[in-house]
Amino acid sequence: AQSVTQLGSHVSVSEGALVLLRCNYSSSVPPYLFWYVQYPNQGLQLLLKYTTGATLVKGINGFEAEFKKSETSFHLTKPSAHMSDAAEYFCAVTPTSGTYKYIFGTGTRLKVLA
Amino acid sequence: DGGITQSPKYLFRKEGQNVTLSCEQNLNHDAMYWYRQDPGQGLRLIYYSQIVNDFQKGDIAEGYSVSREKKESFPLTVTSAQKNPTAFYLCASSLTSLGEQYFGPGTRLTVT
Repeated sequence: AQSVTQLGSHVSVSEGALVLLRCNYSSSVPPYLFWYVQYPNQGLQLLLKYTTGATLVKGINGFEAEFKKSETSFHLTKPSAHMSDAAEYFCAVTPTSGTYKYIFGTGTRLKVLA
Repeated sequence: DGGITQSPKYLFRKEGQNVTLSCEQNLNHDAMYWYRQDPGQGLRLIYYSQIVNDFQKGDIAEGYSVSREKKESFPLTVTSAQKNPTAFYLCASSLTSLGEQYFGPGTRLTVT
């Protein structure tokens, strides 16, 4: 069965520092991969996605993620954190074949320190 | 503007009452979903529908019911059988079941 693991339920970085949010998945075949962001009391917004092709994916707000099949990882990065990046981030996967199952990680809350 | 609307934003009910949460989309998406979000547990799938007049149970369907009579609408009823209904409920849609999901703003339900 597929699963998604986000290491670190809470991450703190200083403003201007590198943001690194970790996501690992387990799947018998490479899935489609997504990162979403959620601000308090709001819905989720898509940051970026990987389906096929280039393994380094660029998203909105300066975020990017790299699909590493050998490590079954899809970590989210941003070179320089901004105060407005404080939010909760969710990694999600969906299989590319078989029974539909869209699976979310448990989320990582990012805090940006001034 | 295209998008997903959920109403109301906040909902309060007494224990033992059924309550229906609204979800409407004008994105012409085939697939729609309902999730429940509790602190520290991420999103859990309640029901999903890939096409009009068809829907499937997700991981935590007990105590919930849905209908999909129109492509743009996917209401969720929280019944009195749901043991712990207080939560944040999110509706989403996608063009296909493999595509990215677009989320509504959510409804926070409090049952006392």
